Amino acid sequence: ETGVTQTPRHLVMGMTNKKSLKCEQHLGHNAMYWYKQSAKKPLELMFVYNFKEQTENNSVPSRFSPECPNSSHLFLHLHTLQPEDSALYLCASSQGPYDRVNEQFFGPGTRLTVL
Amino acid sequence: AQSVTQLDSHVSVSEGTPVLLRCNYSSSYSPSLFWYVQHPNKGLQLLLKYTSAATLVKGINGFEAEFKKSETSFHLTKPSAHMSDAAEYFCVIVNPNMRFGAGTRLTVKP
Repeated sequence: ETGVTQTPRHLVMGMTNKKSLKCEQHLGHNAMYWYKQSAKKPLELMFVYNFKEQTENNSVPSRFSPECPNSSHLFLHLHTLQPEDSALYLCASSQGPYDRVNEQFFGPGTRLTVL
Repeated sequence: AQSVTQLDSHVSVSEGTPVLLRCNYSSSYSPSLFWYVQHPNKGLQLLLKYTSAATLVKGINGFEAEFKKSETSFHLTKPSAHMSDAAEYFCVIVNPNMRFGAGTRLTVKP
């Protein structure tokens, strides 16, 4: 595997379910990100991790819980979601910290549908 | 506050004709600007970036963009469209936080 991988690619869940999204980067990067992409809205940055430490949380509801056990893996734990949380969730990584020059490499995303 | 505005939500061109995707930015000081492309069912891929070096930036797949401070613009161009260019394109400002534009969907007709 190369680049940034995400599993599952598609997920359908009920509002009472608990599920997790997984992201893995094979690039030796030190920073990882979760984004939400909703129809007809700009991409929204959710969380930023640098060297496994969370450095940014953009007012994301607590029903989304990130976990970064090491620099290569990032999880997004989901519980009691709402239908409006249905979206494409993108993971990204970059060599250096979140700044103006580091290119981010994106995974293909997980298409989440909340019923 | 920093932001980018993509002036067209959808652009349609014929194969072999020029492509112009427009992006204006707002920033209190000199920003970094990126263009990303997203093909269907794929993640975003960096096309090119401007980080205060040369104002004309060349990217992958024949795309280029020119940073014009006087017009606060960073339009993306390509001389000749190819069918494989059909995708969603995002203009991004980093100053220092990353903000994405709403996207422009490019359709290429045969």
